[in-house]
Amino acid sequence: TQLLEQSPQFLSIQEGENLTVYCNSSSVFSSLQWYRQEPGEGPVLLVTVVTGGEVKKLKRLTFQFGDARKDSSLHITAAQPGDTGLYLCAGFPPGGGSQGNLIFGKGTKLSVKP
Amino acid sequence: EPEVTQTPSHQVTQMGQEVILRCVPISNHLYFYWYRQILGQKVEFLVSFYNNEISEKSEIFDDQFSVERPDGSNFTLKIRSTKLEDSAMYFCASSLQVTSPLHFGNGTRLTVT
Repeated sequence: TQLLEQSPQFLSIQEGENLTVYCNSSSVFSSLQWYRQEPGEGPVLLVTVVTGGEVKKLKRLTFQFGDARKDSSLHITAAQPGDTGLYLCAGFPPGGGSQGNLIFGKGTKLSVKP
Repeated sequence: EPEVTQTPSHQVTQMGQEVILRCVPISNHLYFYWYRQILGQKVEFLVSFYNNEISEKSEIFDDQFSVERPDGSNFTLKIRSTKLEDSAMYFCASSLQVTSPLHFGNGTRLTVT
């Protein structure tokens, strides 16, 4: 059972297009984190969303945490080839777990073509 | 910017052999972690370590695995008798506090033949 479901699994778009990727769960999370991972490297934290309904912006990236804290989305405006990578959402297990034991989704592999 | 460093970047070993994966966490961080990522699958938590002891471990982290902080800078993951299914990318991470963001290294690709 996937605690964190990410969709789509793959996304290939042209430079300049907008896109949204999703992270969904049937469980409530106290917070969710978004990471970006490039081939041969470890995940790099982009943002943490904590409050239900929260929206955070990081340049062209907009992150939203669902009101019920069961889902999150990442929207990229005017995507660039440098945005290419694997986008992962992660959170601590519901009902406990705060010792760094993050649960990760399988990720969305984004390819932005020039 | 300080970073987590891992060595080697790639390790090939035969089934049944012992391997030690090495990590140098960020120097002022207090919490250390190992995660693994089997090819094509999600990143999975293995173990967290604080104050020279394991604070949390997953079901994956069985008796074949152990961690150690042998000195003030290194953090190691040992697999005693490797199996084919241990082939994966192993990521070390560290954080300043347990609630602080995790900083990941670039991983060691372990191939068991």
